[in-house]
Amino acid sequence: QVQLQESGPGLVRPSQTLSLTCTVSGASISSSYYWTWIRQLPGKGLEWIGYMFTSTTTYYNPSLKSRLIISADTSKNQFSLKLSSVTAADTAVYYCARYYYDSTGINWIDPWGQGTLVTVSS
Amino acid sequence: SSELTQDPAVSVALGQTVTVTCQGDGLRAFYASWYQQKPGQAPVLVIFGNNNRPSGIPDRFSGSTSGNTASLTISGAQAEDEADYYCNSRDITSAHVVFGGGTKLTVL
Repeated sequence: QVQLQESGPGLVRPSQTLSLTCTVSGASISSSYYWTWIRQLPGKGLEWIGYMFTSTTTYYNPSLKSRLIISADTSKNQFSLKLSSVTAADTAVYYCARYYYDSTGINWIDPWGQGTLVTVSS
Repeated sequence: SSELTQDPAVSVALGQTVTVTCQGDGLRAFYASWYQQKPGQAPVLVIFGNNNRPSGIPDRFSGSTSGNTASLTISGAQAEDEADYYCNSRDITSAHVVFGGGTKLTVL
């Protein structure tokens, strides 16, 4: 059974860098899946942040790309999110998840981590 | 267009059938997936591909696609089905992940 768990500070100061780690169990992050970050602003819908493939290839939401780095630590089977120059608008629940798609058009996100609330405030 | 459009809210009487829809150009090339999210919980995948249900999802949940519209149908809605439902797919030009705005389902 694949499980994901987010970890990191729950409070980040404005202009600082938000750093989160996702620990994966039951699957290798070097496998043929896309390991993704998604966030949900308070009371709002889901927003895709970006994903990583085979620990080396990354795809980012264009609206966040200039501030975003997603990277992997294969020795720990973890992948991480770093979002720089944060503002209150980055306050959200951040989820890590496994993403799959193939040439037939099938795509899905499963499973999801439980999510972690990150508040940007001074 | 990279957008997926959902109705903000839908209601259904207990035991009746309800359909939640998701529209977007990308659905002509990629299937939609559907997620159920209850308050304070992470989203859960309920339908993917051509009407596939993950293990543990009741068979009252089904999905379909016609043109640029994907539909999630709950046949015989139960009280525990009250939740937010999100569709997701890939953008037709960039291949990035996109989500619909979500539909709040109320079971009366």
